[in-house]
Amino acid sequence: GQNIDQPTEMTATEGAIVQINCTYQTSGFNGLFWYQQHAGEAPTFLSYNVLDGLEEKGRFSSFLSRSKGYSYLLLKELQMKDSASYLCAVRDGNQGGKLIFGQGTELSVKP
Amino acid sequence: ETGVTQSPTHLIKTRGQQVTLRCSSQSGHNTVSWYQQALGQGPQFIFQYYREEENGRGNFPPRFSGLQFPNYSSELNVNALELDDSALYLCASSVAAGDTQYFGPGTRLTVL
Repeated sequence: GQNIDQPTEMTATEGAIVQINCTYQTSGFNGLFWYQQHAGEAPTFLSYNVLDGLEEKGRFSSFLSRSKGYSYLLLKELQMKDSASYLCAVRDGNQGGKLIFGQGTELSVKP
Repeated sequence: ETGVTQSPTHLIKTRGQQVTLRCSSQSGHNTVSWYQQALGQGPQFIFQYYREEENGRGNFPPRFSGLQFPNYSSELNVNALELDDSALYLCASSVAAGDTQYFGPGTRLTVL
């Protein structure tokens, strides 16, 4: 079967660092994506990993370990505007560009 | 460069009715994917269109159907609406079938 797990909710303090984990079990793995989604809005692309290791993009970094079926999104210097849902998605290489999403992690940043 | 656009923004229908949702892909993108997102859940893949052909389908019944036009815009049609069809419908476009998908703002469908 195909399954993606991520924590439902997380809380962090402004200026701090937070790590959002994602574990997956899928067939035909062909890359892992992280999206940010503010309430009532569309998901916005944050990062993409297809090889093992860390990808850094400003305050955001994403890590992938294919052998462990594990990824994390690291957010540094948290700002209030980072309060949003963070979606982990795996691309199914057996079905074109189909993305399989986790349920999302609702991050609340407190002052 | 214009991003992905969707219409309408909101829609209210009653059970048994039919609905058509529209999506214009980002300039230079030839692939469109449709997702259904229930409240508090991640998006669920409905289907993908690549150069006017269906290129993969999720676990949705046949009353969910789609179309892609020569200009790569797309429609999602849902027949015989059910209460559980109430959701945010997201369209995403990409340069090609396996590339990064960029989402439109979505259509919020409410079925009464």
